[in-house]
Parts: sequence; C-alpha cells; structure tokens
Amino acid sequence: QKEVEQDPGPLSVPEGAIVSLNCTYSNSAFQYFMWYRQYSRKGPELLMYTYSSGNKEDGRFTAQVDKSSKYISLFIRDSQPSDSATYLCAMSDSGGGADGLTFGKGTHLIIQP
Amino acid sequence: DGGITQSPKYLFRKEGQNVTLSCEQNLNHDAMYWYRQDPGQGLRLIYYSQIVNDFQKGDIAEGYSVSREKKESFPLTVTSAQKNPTAFYLCASSLSQTDSPLHFGNGTRLTVT
Repeated sequence: QKEVEQDPGPLSVPEGAIVSLNCTYSNSAFQYFMWYRQYSRKGPELLMYTYSSGNKEDGRFTAQVDKSSKYISLFIRDSQPSDSATYLCAMSDSGGGADGLTFGKGTHLIIQP
Repeated sequence: DGGITQSPKYLFRKEGQNVTLSCEQNLNHDAMYWYRQDPGQGLRLIYYSQIVNDFQKGDIAEGYSVSREKKESFPLTVTSAQKNPTAFYLCASSLSQTDSPLHFGNGTRLTVT
C-alpha cells in the first residue's frame, strides 16, 4: 500500500510563528521524501529533497524524517505572508521518476499578517 | 533560465473535441511526466516517458495520448474519450527515472463545456 496521509487544513497561523506541516505513510519501502510548495494556479515548486531519516535545513525550512514512526515534517521558521500556499509531501522508494512516487493531497497554509 | 514551459495557461474547448497541451523543457532532463490535479484528489499520473520515443501509461491514461519525438517536448492530447477532461494539468521532468526529484511547469487549466 502506498498511501500517504496529509491534513488538508486550512492551517492558519500569525506571521512570525513557527509552522509545522506533517505527513504520515504506511509503506516502509519509502526512502526518499520531498516537500513541494504550490501557489494558487501555479505548479508545485520543490522545496526539500531528503533521503532516509534525519533532518535537513535550508534557510527558514527544516525537513525532518522519522522512518520508525513513518512520519515526516516540514518546519517553517519566522513565517511570512508569502509562505501562504499549499504544501505537498511526496515520497518514493526509488528516489526519482513517477514510478513509485506518491503524493499527499496537500495542506493549505495561511499566514496572517 | 532553465525550466519547464506549459502552454497555454488557460484552454477552453467544446465537448467532443480533441485538444493538445504543450510541454517544453530546457533542463536537459531525460524523463518527463503528465499529471492531473483535481480539488481534493491530489496529483494523479497520466503518462510518463523515460527516453525519446518511449512512454508508459500512468494510473489514469484512459482518454489521453502522448508522444515523445524530441527530448525537450512531451505534448499531451486530451481526446473526446476522456469523460471528465476539465482539470488542471501539470507537466514535470526529472534528470533521470531514479534518484532525482520531479520539477514541475506552471500548468494548463483546461475547461471543457
């Protein structure tokens, strides 16, 4: 089973807050984990790409993977109104391509000025 | 600037007509993909191609056709056999079929009446 669960939201937080976005999954074969940001009427933009467990940081964004719990997170520090978007998680057992790549349905995030 | 160009941004067609969506990439990526995005349903894979002159069906290929005559181009034809063609269509590419994440274009919104 390649199901990925993601709360659709909307998640509304005040500007400057730390945001936590999460996905759970059931397929223990997943090893590659991605986060995409999608603005309205635009294509998804790759934010983070990680392999296996652990943390990866890029500016205000931190991706965290806990394979033992089958749980991944994206943290956004010092959130800005421009971070308002839908965030999609995606995961794969092969690291690339579409075969075996499964997307969550996305969390709609709203940052209130 | 390297990227994926989808055109047009908006497309309107009458029921019963075939329509072709354009996707061009200048990233020198080998693999290209077509997804459909509907509200509440997430991304669903239509077709993908790993190399020129080769492509495979995804999860929802019925009513669609593709060609891959050039590395840079992967047009999608929505035929009259597609029962619910109105959707947001996303083209993506990746460096290879494995070990590389997908990068997306900005989509084409197709409305069929």
